[in-house]
Amino acid sequence: GAVVSQHPSRVICKSGTSVKIECRSLDFQATTMFWYRQFPKQSLMLMATSNEGSKATYEQGVEKDKFLINHASLTLSTLTVTSAHPEDSSFYICSAMQGGGNQPQHFGDGTRLSIL
Amino acid sequence: AQKVTQAQTEISVVEKEDVTLDCVYETRDTTYYLFWYKQPPSGELVFLIRRNSFDEQNEISGRYSWNFQKSTSSFNFTITASQVVDSAVYFCALSEGYSSASKIIFGSGTRLSIRP
Repeated sequence: GAVVSQHPSRVICKSGTSVKIECRSLDFQATTMFWYRQFPKQSLMLMATSNEGSKATYEQGVEKDKFLINHASLTLSTLTVTSAHPEDSSFYICSAMQGGGNQPQHFGDGTRLSIL
Repeated sequence: AQKVTQAQTEISVVEKEDVTLDCVYETRDTTYYLFWYKQPPSGELVFLIRRNSFDEQNEISGRYSWNFQKSTSSFNFTITASQVVDSAVYFCALSEGYSSASKIIFGSGTRLSIRP
């Protein structure tokens, strides 16, 4: 089955650091990838939709200058949290769409980000 | 606007009991998908089922069953003879349209605890 790999699985870093999270589709090409954020004991909230070769579409309230998304190839999207602060500590999950039409989205295993 | 409501925040039952997780959704679209995901303590999302809006047939998969009722906009999930390994947070979700490029809207989740 389709596999989405997310790296790293856990990051702990100091406030002010920029952190990059990678989302890779391992055995399929993903024209569209999604980035979600989940605060402790809360639901997943969509942050942005990432399309290969074009700018990401951000949900209302998500700062595009703080959460930089790059989807440079059909198998890789990256999310960079710039100048991270403790309030950015969260669980970040990506998903990738296999092919077009009504193919299901496949989720990565998530990245737990802790900012000290 | 689309919305998914999981009114049960937490459920705790004794092993071997049956348990039903409720899900009510709102959408203006006539074509949409409904999902259930399981999120164990490790954090990854485990896909359980996807159902399109034109398929109201109930589904059974082992100890899991799903009841889709368009008349009440509900998509309930039942675990029969629950086991400790079923303990997790369960999310009901909705995406509008027939393209998996549509964003997925998650409910707030139900934390299920199965006591031995």
